[in-house]
Amino acid sequence: EVQLVESGGGLVQPGGSLRLSCVASGSTFSSYNMNWVRQAPGKGLEWVSYISSSSSTINYADSVKGRFTMSRDNAKNSLYLQMNSLRAEDTAVYYCVRVVWSGYFRFDPWGQGTLVTVSS
Amino acid sequence: QTVVTQEPSFSVSPGGTVTLTCGLSSGSVSTSYYSSWYQQTPGQAPRTLIYNTNTRSSGVPDRFSGSILGNKAALTITGAQADDESDYYCVLYMGSGIWVFGGGTKLTVL
Repeated sequence: EVQLVESGGGLVQPGGSLRLSCVASGSTFSSYNMNWVRQAPGKGLEWVSYISSSSSTINYADSVKGRFTMSRDNAKNSLYLQMNSLRAEDTAVYYCVRVVWSGYFRFDPWGQGTLVTVSS
Repeated sequence: QTVVTQEPSFSVSPGGTVTLTCGLSSGSVSTSYYSSWYQQTPGQAPRTLIYNTNTRSSGVPDRFSGSILGNKAALTITGAQADDESDYYCVLYMGSGIWVFGGGTKLTVL
């Protein structure tokens, strides 16, 4: 069973940077396509970014484009989200999620999330 | 910009049936959007209920079903139970590795 564990969240000042990590169990991380999804306090889910298994495709929501960079290191079973120029509205729990493709998609599993707070 | 719409809140009686919907601000939802549904309780990560419009995820009770109703994706709960009281989110695939979530529906069972 695949498990995803996020880390790297914390308190950061507006304009600052933070890097989130997500480590996957199992030996086939290199075949996983992955998403970051976030949820602001008391708000709904928001898709943030997608990366294909080989990193050949990387996409971002308009709200983070140009400020966030998604990457992966398949040798370390790890996924990353580099967040720069952070704003108060980036405050959220960030989840990493595997995207399973079988002619259609399925988000499974979800990590437990890591909280990012942007505040002075 | 694409907006995915959901009812902000809904109420159902125990044992009753409720249908939550997931629409587009412009256009119709079809199976080509591969709609999926997630259940979330406070402090927990989302749980996958339905994917590919109408396929139940492993372990999900058959009282949960997905469909296309008219121009929207739909999640129907038949025989609602107290522990179905949760937030429910749909997500639509826009193609090219881009998704949009709906704003979520807070379901009350009373």
